[in-house]
Amino acid sequence: DAGITQSPRHKVTETGTPVTLRCHQTENHRYMYWYRQDPGHGLRLIHYSYGVKDTDKGEVSDGYSVSRSKTEDFLLTLESATSSQTSVYFCAISEDRGWPQHFGDGTRLSIL
Amino acid sequence: KNEVEQSPQNLTAQEGEFITINCSYSVGISALHWLQQHPGGGIVSLFMLSSGKKKHGRLIATINIQEKHSSLHITASHPRDSAVYICAVDSGGGADGLTFGKGTHLIIQP
Repeated sequence: DAGITQSPRHKVTETGTPVTLRCHQTENHRYMYWYRQDPGHGLRLIHYSYGVKDTDKGEVSDGYSVSRSKTEDFLLTLESATSSQTSVYFCAISEDRGWPQHFGDGTRLSIL
Repeated sequence: KNEVEQSPQNLTAQEGEFITINCSYSVGISALHWLQQHPGGGIVSLFMLSSGKKKHGRLIATINIQEKHSSLHITASHPRDSAVYICAVDSGGGADGLTFGKGTHLIIQP
């Protein structure tokens, strides 16, 4: 299995608090992605990175920011969490912009 | 934006049955992917297709580019095949050119 670790795996927090999710890879892949998965929707891209300090927005980027200061780490931050951001978040990596992508095990985030 | 539709949304079958899951999309693509998501949540890539047919074990994936349609077949289904199967299409143009279907929830009963 591709070496991808998401942390935390589960988090419950309150509206208005900042939240940071971490994705760590040991594969030295160039591309890293953050998706969210919600009932009734397919996976939707939040942000992605194509290198250290190189990031771009995805389909549902409002309310989220990302940072990538090292090849192996991609952080997703919710500056002020809202209940609409309750979701399961997946990190993925790939060697180039295409497939196959390898996915992390997901982070279940609940905003109360 | 490409629209991806999967059918059926839910499917319950008996062990041993032949399973077909369908995926259609609205705009031409460079590739189509089938993914499997197990009840624990992990997602794995099964196939990447740009034309024709691919087979891996009991899984077969086909694509018809002209009709904008792909099918995933499972032969001799087994309870361990129970999972959500997700179709995703690559419309090109960057990492945000990937569109995922909502998934087909498959349950194989013993």
